[in-house]
Amino acid sequence: QSALTQPASVSGSPGQSITISCTGTSSDVGSYNLVSWYQQHPGKAPKLMIYEVSKRPSGVSNRFSGSKSGNTASLTISGLQAEDEADYYCCSYAGSLNWVFGGGTKLTVL
Amino acid sequence: QVQLVQSGAEVKKPGASVKVSCKASGYTFTGYYMHWVRQAPGQGLEWMGWINPNSGGTNYAQKFQGRVTMTRDTSISTAYMELSRLRSDDTAVYYCARDYYGSGGGDVWGKGTTVTVSS
Repeated sequence: QSALTQPASVSGSPGQSITISCTGTSSDVGSYNLVSWYQQHPGKAPKLMIYEVSKRPSGVSNRFSGSKSGNTASLTISGLQAEDEADYYCCSYAGSLNWVFGGGTKLTVL
Repeated sequence: QVQLVQSGAEVKKPGASVKVSCKASGYTFTGYYMHWVRQAPGQGLEWMGWINPNSGGTNYAQKFQGRVTMTRDTSISTAYMELSRLRSDDTAVYYCARDYYGSGGGDVWGKGTTVTVSS
């Protein structure tokens, strides 16, 4: 099972919006609405930001949104804030009770 | 509050085994699957497998099959991940995470257990 493909880095200025893509295949992202997104600050455990493609857990800001088209899922962060600077990982169900993560994207807030 | 408390850091020699524990509290342990995810230094997250604490059923990523064993002890609400035949590239932080709607990781994570494999 190959890792999902994410851009290595993205950047944006405070107040702007950014989108992080996550490309998989018809065997994972394209087949299931079980894509999740995680935020990870240095030295910390990941935090769930989005599940089932576009749902937010309780307590996650509505500035974070998720979507999917075909084999590509996306995470959009609007109204960028300094504290959004972190690594972001997508994850998708890949069938047969297996999951696969993306390689991660480093978000820099300029 | 809901939390997962993992065991402390380990240093192992190549070829040895390591067993990491993950004690759950604040919720019904048998009600949620548990994922194990690892992260090598400076690298991304890697899904290793999961266990159904209710039945003990497991599923492992193909990469780890034959080397990983996930178990649980429901009497003490603790999940375990044992990795054998350790290599230097197994050096990583190992996390347990409570599944949340099939998210692959989860809504609650342990703080991680650092495993260092070095001769």
